[in-house]
Amino acid sequence: AQSVTQLDSQVPVFEEAPVELRCNYSSSVSVYLFWYVQYPNQGLQLLLKYLSGSTLVKGINGFEAEFNKSQTSVHLRKPSVHISDTAEYFCAVSSKTSYDKVIFGPGTSLSVIP
Amino acid sequence: EAGVAQSPRYKIIEKRQSVAFWCNPISGHATLYWYQQILGQGPKLLIQFQNNGVVDDSQLPKDRFSAERLKGVDSTLKIQPAKLEDSAVYLCASSPWRGTDTQYFGPGTRLTVL
Repeated sequence: AQSVTQLDSQVPVFEEAPVELRCNYSSSVSVYLFWYVQYPNQGLQLLLKYLSGSTLVKGINGFEAEFNKSQTSVHLRKPSVHISDTAEYFCAVSSKTSYDKVIFGPGTSLSVIP
Repeated sequence: EAGVAQSPRYKIIEKRQSVAFWCNPISGHATLYWYQQILGQGPKLLIQFQNNGVVDDSQLPKDRFSAERLKGVDSTLKIQPAKLEDSAVYLCASSPWRGTDTQYFGPGTRLTVL
């Protein structure tokens, strides 16, 4: 079974500052990793996914994530945030043998301050 | 391409009443998911369909929740009778086929049980 921990429930950051949202996972099998974003009153949208290959993954809207297998982490980063990045961010994991079964973390609320 | 459609967007009912939610996935998507997202938590899978068959309903509280996808296209999720703890956002997602790692989410239905 897999589980996901998002270390910060809320992250306030000033506009144009960098941000890092932290995610750790546990699993006894190889996994795929995902970051989803949920804007207010909207459904979830895929930001990026790590399936294999390079551990640095680039996503949409200028976000990127680095997968660290030894630390079982996949932290999400953006060098300069915009007001429009204010949203809920979910880290998620699925096993490579059952990758349509996605386990979501509790989410991190990113608030960008003008 | 039209996205996943859900209705209603909001619903307020009293406990012990019944409620139904509707989802129309992206055209041609064979796999459909229903998730429950309680405030402050990540989405939790309730049921997964492949065409009109159930793939996984292990986390569906079957004493009160039911779901169907009779023609393998749109789907309904029903709660009868509702409890206070059912207050949540109910998200529908779809993917082209079961082996796809990316799910496309609808805007959700926010249910409040009084």
